[in-house]
Amino acid sequence: AQSVTQPDIHITVSEGASLELRCNYSYGATPYLFWYVQSPGQGLQLLLKYFSGDTLVQGIKGFEAEFKRSQSSFNLRKPSVHWSDAAEYFCAVGEGTGTASKLTFGTGTRLQVTL
Amino acid sequence: EAGVTQSPTHLIKTRGQQATLRCSPISGHTSVYWYQQALGLGLQFLLWYDEGEERNRGNFPPRFSGRQFPNYSSELNVNALELEDSALYLCASSSGTSGSTDTQYFGPGTRLTVL
Repeated sequence: AQSVTQPDIHITVSEGASLELRCNYSYGATPYLFWYVQSPGQGLQLLLKYFSGDTLVQGIKGFEAEFKRSQSSFNLRKPSVHWSDAAEYFCAVGEGTGTASKLTFGTGTRLQVTL
Repeated sequence: EAGVTQSPTHLIKTRGQQATLRCSPISGHTSVYWYQQALGLGLQFLLWYDEGEERNRGNFPPRFSGRQFPNYSSELNVNALELEDSALYLCASSSGTSGSTDTQYFGPGTRLTVL
């Protein structure tokens, strides 16, 4: 069965600093990978996704992620964090069998941004 | 384009009662997914409906059930409520046309509190 590990439960960065959130996955076949963001009391918003092709994926709000098969990683990055980026970030892997798929989520990383 | 909508926003029930949660997918989407986000347990896959049929089910007891209507909206029913059912229930939809590369778009969730 697939699994996703987000080793950092909580990260604090200063506004304007760079950010990297880690995600490692375990999946036997080609993974379909996603990053979602959740603001307090809200649903999940899709930041970006990787299905195939270019391993560096650009998303919304200035985020990007790099798929590294050799490291089973899909880390999320942003060069300069804004205070509004404070939220919880979830990495997920899609089970790629049959039609459509369920998502398996990591436990999330809570990002705090200091001014 | 309207996103995924869920109702009600909040629901308060007592132990042993039944709860009904509703979800309307994005127009044109045929697949609906339900996830439970309970404190300390993360995001857990509950159910997946596509074209009116239950396609997959997570590791939840049978008192969690649902259905999908001809207009692709969906209902999640939780019978014999227990305190640990208190959680944010998230609904997602996808187009159901791309197989395993479908992207799921989430609604704002229903906060269920069991007293």
